[in-house]
Amino acid sequence: GENVEQHPSTLSVQEGDSAVIKCTYSDSASNYFPWYKQELGKRPQLIIDIRSNVGEKKDQRIAVTLNKTAKHFSLHITETQPEDSAVYFCAAVRFNKFYFGSGTKLNVKP
Amino acid sequence: KAGVTQTPRYLIKTRGQQVTLSCSPISGHRSVSWYQQTPGQGLQFLFEYFSETQRNKGNFPGRFSGRQFSNSRSEMNVSTLELGDSALYLCASSSPGTGGNTIYFGEGSWLTVV
Repeated sequence: GENVEQHPSTLSVQEGDSAVIKCTYSDSASNYFPWYKQELGKRPQLIIDIRSNVGEKKDQRIAVTLNKTAKHFSLHITETQPEDSAVYFCAAVRFNKFYFGSGTKLNVKP
Repeated sequence: KAGVTQTPRYLIKTRGQQVTLSCSPISGHRSVSWYQQTPGQGLQFLFEYFSETQRNKGNFPGRFSGRQFSNSRSEMNVSTLELGDSALYLCASSSPGTGGNTIYFGEGSWLTVV
């Protein structure tokens, strides 16, 4: 099956700095890569996603890049704000089956 | 549009008992998937149902089962509960017809096994 690795497990940045979270996957059949943000005690919510036929996608301060050859994708958050503090999960999806990374706890210090 | 609704939100069970969790998907969504979230194992896929049929299954023992009804509502059942089954159980729904397989999560059911 698919194996998704996510790094780092924790990330602490100063407000205004950028944050980068990286994921690798093992199955070349995976074709959809969403990112979810989960605040403490709340449900995971989709923040951005990318499909295998696209290399990069941006939505305001958030961007995702995908390198199919190397089988890795990354989440980039610029100009971080305290409300960006949460756990972020990446996922690789093949045939409607979601394989999640282990999560990254992002702490943005004011 | 109402989101994914899960009941109950919190429950405490004793080892050896069984539990049933319920999930109502977003109106019009026909796919429902279930996930177990624990601090040590992260988010793990349990199974996915589409049109009352189990379409995908994760690597969980047979004690974990589910079903989907004709109105797309879904239930999952865990029999012979073990302490390690304590977790947040998340349900998610999606509608392949809307152009992708984006899933939307419910608030989850917190299960504590004592």
